[in-house]
Amino acid sequence: DGGITQSPKYLFRKEGQNVTLSCEQNLNHDAMYWYRQDPGQGLRLIYYSQIVNDFQKGDIAEGYSVSREKKESFPLTVTSAQKNPTAFYLCASTPGVGAEAFFGQGTRLTVV
Amino acid sequence: SQQGEEDPQALSIQEGENATMNCSYKTSINNLQWYRQNSGRGLVHLILIRSNEREKHSGRLRVTLDTSKKSSSLLITASRAADTASYFCATDAWGNTGKLIFGQGTTLQVKP
Repeated sequence: DGGITQSPKYLFRKEGQNVTLSCEQNLNHDAMYWYRQDPGQGLRLIYYSQIVNDFQKGDIAEGYSVSREKKESFPLTVTSAQKNPTAFYLCASTPGVGAEAFFGQGTRLTVV
Repeated sequence: SQQGEEDPQALSIQEGENATMNCSYKTSINNLQWYRQNSGRGLVHLILIRSNEREKHSGRLRVTLDTSKKSSSLLITASRAADTASYFCATDAWGNTGKLIFGQGTTLQVKP
């Protein structure tokens, strides 16, 4: 089945730790995105990538890092510099600019 | 920055009634998209309307776009309890930016 897979579904992080959220797609899509969603809020863009080995900061990139070494994969690292990382993280992909986005099921990150 | 702002933030109606949600945005766009999110899940694409289109239909969904007012509306006719979800608009800004920016969303509750 084609789709976009995020793992893990739930993640707990101790303060001061870096954690990496996985996002894999087998849709052969060029563009991939990371969004953060806080309770009752909309989606805020963290990072996006239109092509392998290239990515751009979104509106709230501070405290996060990404890589795009393969077309299928766009992992997000939440670093210790992110002061309030508890949130629901959503990964998406599109076949190109302006096209319909396909979303993963999300990772819920909690700082303990 | 949030490109799309939705109104109302929350809407509660009875089954069979129509539901209308509005989205305003700030900059010129290539297209505007509407998505649905069930609680705690990823988003699902509903409909895309291009900047040169004024109205689009898909089943019980009707979307309008007024680029002069920088606004869009989503109408769900003959609502069902299964339509209960959050609805988001997303804009693909003019130019090849690759950014897909979401609004705050409208939470719709359809009572059986």
